[in-house]
Amino acid sequence: EVQLVESGGDLVKPGGSLRLSCAASGFTLSDAWVTWVRQAPGKGLEWVGRIKSKASGGTMDYAAPVKGRFTISRDDSKNTLYLEMNSLKTEDTAVYYCSTGNCWGQGTLVTVSS
Amino acid sequence: QAVVTQEPSLTVSPGGTVTLTCGSSRGAVTSGHYPSWFQQKPGQAPKTLIYDTTKKHSWTPARFSGSLLGGKAALTLSGAQPEDEGDYYCLLSDGGVRVFGGGTKLTVL
Repeated sequence: EVQLVESGGDLVKPGGSLRLSCAASGFTLSDAWVTWVRQAPGKGLEWVGRIKSKASGGTMDYAAPVKGRFTISRDDSKNTLYLEMNSLKTEDTAVYYCSTGNCWGQGTLVTVSS
Repeated sequence: QAVVTQEPSLTVSPGGTVTLTCGSSRGAVTSGHYPSWFQQKPGQAPKTLIYDTTKKHSWTPARFSGSLLGGKAALTLSGAQPEDEGDYYCLLSDGGVRVFGGGTKLTVL
């Protein structure tokens, strides 16, 4: 079964850091373009960033609000994607989803608060 | 980045037809913006309905279709069912990044 499972969400203070994981099963993550999407409480979806498949060069793109603070990486040996988040702000509070387009994880909650 | 606009809310009668649209502040939406459409129900992760303007996944009900209409991307629901109630989001490519619309809350009533 094709599946994505996010983890790592937590309560963190403003200015802090956190690393989210997105573990894939049923397919090879490096063969897919994988996107991080977030949703603040009661708000709409926001595109955060994407890593292209290895065959497409494996490059990353980021939305303006997170560029320079968030980094997407991939561990092919673990079939897992990561979202490293630094200099967190209260407005980064959201449920974070990873998605290949045809598969979505269940999301993990990040709360940035003092 | 572009601002992507959607109707905040729409209502459709059961069995009726409704079209949701997705516009861009940068001008007409084309197939080069690779429009995608997502459905989200309360407490659930989004589900991809349409990608690359018109393509469907195996789980996309036949009553949903994607198109370009009057310079916008469009999602048409023909024969609405009660289970189609929910939030619908479009996603457009804007250079190297993607941008979601604000979402449309669809009520089947």
